[in-house]
Amino acid sequence: GAVVSQHPSRVICKSGTSVKIECRSLDFQATTMFWYRQFPKQSLMLMATSNEGSKATYEQGVEKDKFLINHASLTLSTLTVTSAHPEDSSFYICSAAYGPSKPQHFGDGTRLSIL
Amino acid sequence: AQTVTQSQPEMSVQEAETVTLSCTYDTSESDYYLFWYKQPPSRQMILVIRQEAYKQQNATENRFSVNFQKAAKSFSLKISDSQLGDAAMYFCAYRVKETSGSRLTFGEGTQLTVNP
Repeated sequence: GAVVSQHPSRVICKSGTSVKIECRSLDFQATTMFWYRQFPKQSLMLMATSNEGSKATYEQGVEKDKFLINHASLTLSTLTVTSAHPEDSSFYICSAAYGPSKPQHFGDGTRLSIL
Repeated sequence: AQTVTQSQPEMSVQEAETVTLSCTYDTSESDYYLFWYKQPPSRQMILVIRQEAYKQQNATENRFSVNFQKAAKSFSLKISDSQLGDAAMYFCAYRVKETSGSRLTFGEGTQLTVNP
């Protein structure tokens, strides 16, 4: 069964809306979670590393104020796309590992469509 | 910085045949992990196989095996007895071995088509 749960799987909303995506680790604690963005037929691009109890680490070129990350507990990280616009439409996917030597497990992803 | 390169954007194979997907990487680290992930049209990321750099023996998972050449920084995936369900995008990925969680670096991906 899934070890990482991501919700919602699909969001369609109007431009200007803020959208929150949740990533939960099931049955294990994840001090670190990762958020990726994927455009059609392209690879996964790391957006940020979410650290429990501290600020997220953003990759170069990713707007911190646009993509707010909160990792308030050891099993939940959230990504909020603030004031979303059509160019933010994409597939967002999170991952977590239940140990430093363990492989990362991915959520099922969120398809975000901004009209 | 670590980089991962997949030089084959697309590959095709006949059902029941064998196909090899290529991957090269660049790193200055001596201890790390390499992975192959499969992403079918559902876009789920599914771990296919994993290799630890300090292990000389090539990893094998049923019909999937790797050819890990550490000196050449090469990590190819061989799929034997290909099945229609193997059709997907395949990503090679690298991760440095650290005491805390570390990021994955992905290659560009190879789209595999399996012909009946």
